[in-house]
Amino acid sequence: VRLQQWGAQLLKSSETLSLTCAVFGDSVRFSYWSWIRQPPGKGLEWIGEIIDGKSPTYNPSLVSRVTMSLDSSKNQFFLNLESVTAADTAIYYCARRPTGIDLWGQGTLVTVSS
Amino acid sequence: QTVVTQEPSLTVSPGGTVTLTCASSTGAVTGDYYPNWFQQKPGQAPRPLIYSTTHKHSWTPARFSGSLLGDKAALTLSGVQPEDEAEYYCLLYYGGAWVFGGGTKVTVL
Repeated sequence: VRLQQWGAQLLKSSETLSLTCAVFGDSVRFSYWSWIRQPPGKGLEWIGEIIDGKSPTYNPSLVSRVTMSLDSSKNQFFLNLESVTAADTAIYYCARRPTGIDLWGQGTLVTVSS
Repeated sequence: QTVVTQEPSLTVSPGGTVTLTCASSTGAVTGDYYPNWFQQKPGQAPRPLIYSTTHKHSWTPARFSGSLLGDKAALTLSGVQPEDEAEYYCLLYYGGAWVFGGGTKVTVL
């Protein structure tokens, strides 16, 4: 089982960050699927999670800008973060959470330039 | 805003034992917070170690154990190895949202 993620790695302020996480060896119909980020040299921040058939839950500090979705036909899930600023520069990870988080993607460094 | 607090740094000798804790600004941490623990080494994605307070993943070395210690979640490393030098993060559940602790840098000296 693995997660492979991709998306634009260089953005300008005010643009929308869009990332995709593809699931191999498991089905997105089961488990919670999470997005987590880590600014360079700093700690981890939970962005939100989604499970098939339910509304996503988001970090309250990001809820006004974040949208997560899931496509079971492609076995993928997605992150959109609107109106990015330099403070959104980070490594973004996708992850699986059946009970605890047990699988992480490789991470995508997204840099926002002003 | 909920804050999860960990020791910023701890030092342990090889073969020794060290306990990391994870405290919540909302009060005592219980099993209902489903504490998770992760190990992260430079340039790598975090590696899951513990979930739901005490449960180990199939790859978690036996020297790592999770518990509740007083009003905090705890991760104990027994018989520390040089390769255990890393950053360790806890993660707590708050009824729909999760919050990471700030991380503990463990140095093996």
